[in-house]
Amino acid sequence: QVQLVESGGGVVQPGRSLRLSCAASGFTFSSYGMHWVRQAPGKGLEWVAVISHDGSTEYYADSVKGRFTISRDTSKDTLYLQMNSLRPEDTAVYYCAKGPSPFDYWGQGTLVTVSS
Amino acid sequence: EIVMTQSPATLSVSPGERATLSCRASQSVSSNLAWYQQKPGQAPRLLIYGASTRASTIPARFSGSGSGTEFTLTISSLQSEDFGVYYCQQYYNWPPWTFGQGTKVEIK
Repeated sequence: QVQLVESGGGVVQPGRSLRLSCAASGFTFSSYGMHWVRQAPGKGLEWVAVISHDGSTEYYADSVKGRFTISRDTSKDTLYLQMNSLRPEDTAVYYCAKGPSPFDYWGQGTLVTVSS
Repeated sequence: EIVMTQSPATLSVSPGERATLSCRASQSVSSNLAWYQQKPGQAPRLLIYGASTRASTIPARFSGSGSGTEFTLTISSLQSEDFGVYYCQQYYNWPPWTFGQGTKVEIK
C-alpha cells in the first residue's frame, strides 16, 4: 500500500534553515509528481511546492518562492523540502502528497515551528 | 489565481441526516475539482475527484456534483466517523493548486 512518511520537522529560529524529507513506498515513485502542502495551526490547507516525476520542473507558492527548494532522489524514493530564511509565518504542519492531481495520498505530516 | 470559496463555514448535522456542502470557484475549473476530508490530528484524505468520482474505498454515501464554478458535496446519511473538516480543491489552472477555506461538519 502507498505510504508517505515525513520527517525533519522541529523548532527553529527565524532566519535559520531546515530540511524536510518524505520517504515514499508502495508505488513507483519516479512516475509521479509530488507536492508539499502546509497547514498553519488552526488554519486551512496551503499548497507550497510541486516537483515533476522526473525532477525537471518545479513550481512554488509565492509565499515561499526564493526561500524553499523542492527536490527528489529517485534512488532513495525520497522527496525533500529545503527551507531557508524561515519566518514565524512558516510555522505549520508540512505534508507531502502524491500527485500530480488530485492529491490521492498524503503523509501524516511533520510540524515546523519557527520561533525565537 | 483561482479562489475557492466554501459555504457554510460550519454545518451542524445530526447522525443519519443529510449534509450538503458547497464550493464555488472564482472562474471555471471545468470538472477539475476534488474534495478532501480531514479529521482532527490527521492528514487530509481524498474523497472525490473529477467533481463526482469517488476515490477508492470511499463509501457510496459520499457524492459530488457540479461543474464550472459551482460544486456540491453531499453526505446522504451522516455517520459518526464523518465529522471533521471538508476542503475543496481546484486542479484546473495551476500553479497554484488552491483549496477552499474548509467547512467544518459538527454534531448537532
